[in-house]
Amino acid sequence: QVQLKETGPGLVQPTQTLSITCTVSGFSLTSYYMQWVRQTPGKGLEWMGFIRSGGSTEYNSEFKSRLSISRDTSKNQVFLKMNSLKTEDTGVYYCARDPGLLSGYFDYWGQGVMVTVSS
Amino acid sequence: DIQMTQSPASLSASLGETVTIQCQASEDIYSGLAWYQQKPGKSPQLLIYGASSLQDGVPSRFSGSGSGTQYSLKISSMQTEDEGVYFCQQGLKYPLTFGSGTKLEIK
Repeated sequence: QVQLKETGPGLVQPTQTLSITCTVSGFSLTSYYMQWVRQTPGKGLEWMGFIRSGGSTEYNSEFKSRLSISRDTSKNQVFLKMNSLKTEDTGVYYCARDPGLLSGYFDYWGQGVMVTVSS
Repeated sequence: DIQMTQSPASLSASLGETVTIQCQASEDIYSGLAWYQQKPGKSPQLLIYGASSLQDGVPSRFSGSGSGTQYSLKISSMQTEDEGVYFCQQGLKYPLTFGSGTKLEIK
């Protein structure tokens, strides 16, 4: 069955870089777009960006200058990296599957990884 | 960016009661709307997509309707397991945007 699981650090210091891995099973990354969404106390649910089935990416302009999404299809993994972290980046980060070619919604979500930005 | 406004922010309902949650988009989203349910400590779960299509496995007491800028989610007979926070999300234009959520509790 379809599964997604995020792994990453629980605590990151301000100005440092956040790295999260999303490992998927039950489907191929070359057939689906993969999205990243975060949930913060200040802004609620925010779409961050996606990586297409072909490997190209698009980002929310809110994060564009500091966000990078990539993948390793051989390992069924998608990666999120975001630099210059601030305390307001504290929240839960989710990877999610887009069920169609940019359908605009998310049919499967990972469990999320809680990230606290603090010194 | 398209702004999504949900109402009410919270409500309580009795078992068996019909519940309706509203979502308004800042521009026409041509039925590009999804609804999610989130329970404490869990990720959101897709209920409705395309404004009115029921996701596989979701109970038929959930239904969605609307067009243009106005959409609604209806739970026809409130059950205990329906407690949680409900979010709408527009899928027409990027950046995708979400409503601020409606917290639903049992009365």
